[in-house]
Amino acid sequence: DVKVTQSSRYLVKRTGEKVFLECVQDMDHENMFWYRQDPGLGLRLIYFSYDVKMKEKGDIPEGYSVSREKKERFSLILESASTNQTSMYLCASSFSWRSYEQYFGPGTRLTVT
Amino acid sequence: QKEVEQDPGPLSVPEGAIVSLNCTYSNSAFQYFMWYRQYSRKGPELLMYTYSSGNKEDGRFTAQVDKSSKYISLFIRDSQPSDSATYLCAISNAGGTSYGKLTFGQGTILTVHP
Repeated sequence: DVKVTQSSRYLVKRTGEKVFLECVQDMDHENMFWYRQDPGLGLRLIYFSYDVKMKEKGDIPEGYSVSREKKERFSLILESASTNQTSMYLCASSFSWRSYEQYFGPGTRLTVT
Repeated sequence: QKEVEQDPGPLSVPEGAIVSLNCTYSNSAFQYFMWYRQYSRKGPELLMYTYSSGNKEDGRFTAQVDKSSKYISLFIRDSQPSDSATYLCAISNAGGTSYGKLTFGQGTILTVHP
């Protein structure tokens, strides 16, 4: 059974703090993704990675960076958190040969005050 | 224009009703069409996918793609309270390649009441 885990379910940070969100998958998936989900806006892709140490910008990368040092782990970094980054963050992974099926983690609800 | 448009609802129906959920898209290059279901406080899960045009049926669920109209639909027959969730359409033109980037609709919140 595929499992995607995220480091925290809920996180509260102050404006200007550096925030790390971690994601781990146990199915040897090549692709990994970070999305944010906001009411009325749906899922928006922040960054994705199709291999270790490889990363590609998604639709809304501003204010974020990512790191993928190991195949199973994909980290999202908010260099200096701002209130407009308050959101639900979802990590996902997929096989390259079955890329239409993404497996999602439970999400991290981040509040920046 | 957004690449994928989906009516966010919310949609409320009685148990047993037929539910129709719809999305439109703008880029004719898309080839894979998916429906994801997201329960409250959970991540989305793939419900169905269709390659190119046509219908696909899985139990009470039918996915339909009309590439000429750039329109995709999900029908739920005999809806149950357990079907209450957010339904997200997703499209991809990279099926089988390494990137696998999906573009999601805004999601439709469905409530089926007993």
